[in-house]
Amino acid sequence: AQSVTQLGSHVSVSEGALVLLRCNYSSSVPPYLFWYVQYPNQGLQLLLKYTSAATLVKGINGFEAEFKKSETSFHLTKPSAHMSDAAEYFCAVSSGTYKYIFGTGTRLKVLA
Amino acid sequence: SQTIHQWPATLVQPVGSPLSLECTVEGTSNPNLYWYRQAAGRGLQLLFYSVGIGQISSEVPQNLSASRPQDRQFILSSKKLLLSDSGFYLCAWSEAGIGMNTEAFFGQGTRLTVV
Repeated sequence: AQSVTQLGSHVSVSEGALVLLRCNYSSSVPPYLFWYVQYPNQGLQLLLKYTSAATLVKGINGFEAEFKKSETSFHLTKPSAHMSDAAEYFCAVSSGTYKYIFGTGTRLKVLA
Repeated sequence: SQTIHQWPATLVQPVGSPLSLECTVEGTSNPNLYWYRQAAGRGLQLLFYSVGIGQISSEVPQNLSASRPQDRQFILSSKKLLLSDSGFYLCAWSEAGIGMNTEAFFGQGTRLTVV
């Protein structure tokens, strides 16, 4: 069975500071991994995805994530936070069984 | 291009009343379809998924049911709503048949409040 753990339900950073949102996964087969962003009362929008082509994945809005098999991690980073990055972020895993399993989410707050 | 429509955006229903949420996808054929529920602090819970017309898989025993009467239509229903059915419901679709390295695409969600 697949699962995803997001450490930290709330993260606060200052504007211009590094954003680091943590995601660890569990999968018995090579995983496909995703990061989504959700703004209030909206659906989820894909930020980036890992599909085994490259371990460092670049996404939209300056975000990137690195797949580390030895650590079973797929942490999301952005060098410099912007006020518009305030949202909820979800990590998800899939392993080819039609299912996407999501973490519990991390709400990012950006402080002026 | 593909689009997904989900309605209504908000809904307030009394306990014991029926429910019908509809989702349609345009611009693709034979998509995988999903219903998720999002509760505060609990992430997204997969409720149902469908890989074809009339094929419904239930992930969590509950007061809800799903149907797929047409290829690109997915309906979430309940005969009698409970207070615990309140939440944010999201419909999603993904490409079928080419592996799960493709992402799921989400609708804008329905905020259901059962009173």
